[in-house]
This record gives sequence, structure tokens and C-alpha cells, in this order.
Amino acid sequence: KNEVEQSPQNLTAQEGEFITINCSYSVGISALHWLQQHPGGGIVSLFMLSSGKKKHGRLIATINIQEKHSSLHITASHPRDSAVYICAVNPDSNYQLIWGAGTKLIIKP
Amino acid sequence: DGGITQSPKYLFRKEGQNVTLSCEQNLNHDAMYWYRQDPGQGLRLIYYSQIVNDFQKGDIAEGYSVSREKKESFPLTVTSAQKNPTAFYLCASNRDFYNEQFFGPGTRLTVL
Repeated sequence: KNEVEQSPQNLTAQEGEFITINCSYSVGISALHWLQQHPGGGIVSLFMLSSGKKKHGRLIATINIQEKHSSLHITASHPRDSAVYICAVNPDSNYQLIWGAGTKLIIKP
Repeated sequence: DGGITQSPKYLFRKEGQNVTLSCEQNLNHDAMYWYRQDPGQGLRLIYYSQIVNDFQKGDIAEGYSVSREKKESFPLTVTSAQKNPTAFYLCASNRDFYNEQFFGPGTRLTVL
């Protein structure tokens, strides 16, 4: 079993829908990251969080440390949000990130 | 503009040849990383460096080598010992291990 699991693997939605992507992990962590990978391959860091909730524009990330779970929400989704969203964690035991396999999101106009 | 550059964007190599992928950053970051990405899989760490003249193996270092002679530069050599080198290679950096990583645009390596 992977230490970082994302769900769903693939998600297709209509423009305007509210999107939720989930990340569960099985190790103790000091921080969790959400990143976005565009179709061309470039990766951009969206959030780094260790507790609570962060918001940036239409993106919201939450984390529940007790439940070892994080969610990434996208409000009023748009075709330009189509990308792979990746969850990664900083484990307590060492400083190498543990990566999820990613969620491929397609937003149709 | 501060950032990370990788070159080339696409690289083709014949079997048995070594090839070097470039990674340069002007963010004044101490830590740098090389990742490999295969279709449908998460990123896997090849090598990382905390500081100039020091680097450590990641999870899949076999068949790869690196150097860190300058703070700004962390080139990756894919040697002929790497049995399946066709992949997308990403370089990243951060101020230290506990901060967000900044990524370069990647190099797509194909072995012919």
C-alpha cells in the first residue's frame, strides 16, 4: 500500500462544478503539499500546509492531521484548471517528500 | 525573473550513450533535487543536494550521477548503466528541505 493515496485517479467535470480531490497518508508528517502539473509537464506548488485551511483564489486546501487526510477544492471550475493535481507529504522521519500518483482533472466547457 | 531552467526540453539518445541534463537556478536556494516521472506514476527521487559539493542518493540513483560544484547548478548524467532511461526528468530546488519546492520545466529523454 502506498504511503500517500489520492482519489480519484481521474476526474471529468463540467465547467462551473465544485471539485474535490482527496489525499490520504499513513505516516506522521510535518507538512503536506498540493502541486499542479500542466499538460506540458511543468509543476507549480499550490499550497503547503500543516494544519487547518488555506485559500488562494478559487482553490482551497484543508488538512485534518488526526484523520491523516487532506482535500483540495476548486470552486467555479474552468477548463484552464485541467491538469494533474499532486499531493506530497514531508514525513516526520526524514526530509524526503513522499509523492502521491496524482489526480488527472479534465474540465469540459 | 528568478526561476529554474532545464535544458534541453527534448533529448534523444542512442543506447549505450551517456547524456547530461542541465539544471540551473537563480533563486539562491541551497537544496536541489532530480526526479524521474514515468506515465501514470508519482515522482521518484534520483538524487538531492543540500549544499555545494555534497549530494545524496535518492530512491532510484542506480545508473545516474550528479555533481554540485556551484550553488546554481546541479547537472544529472544518465549513464549507459541505466536500463530504462526513457522518462520525464524534473529538477527542483528549495531554500531548505522544509519549504515548498520550485520546479523546472522538465526534460523529456527518449532512448532510441
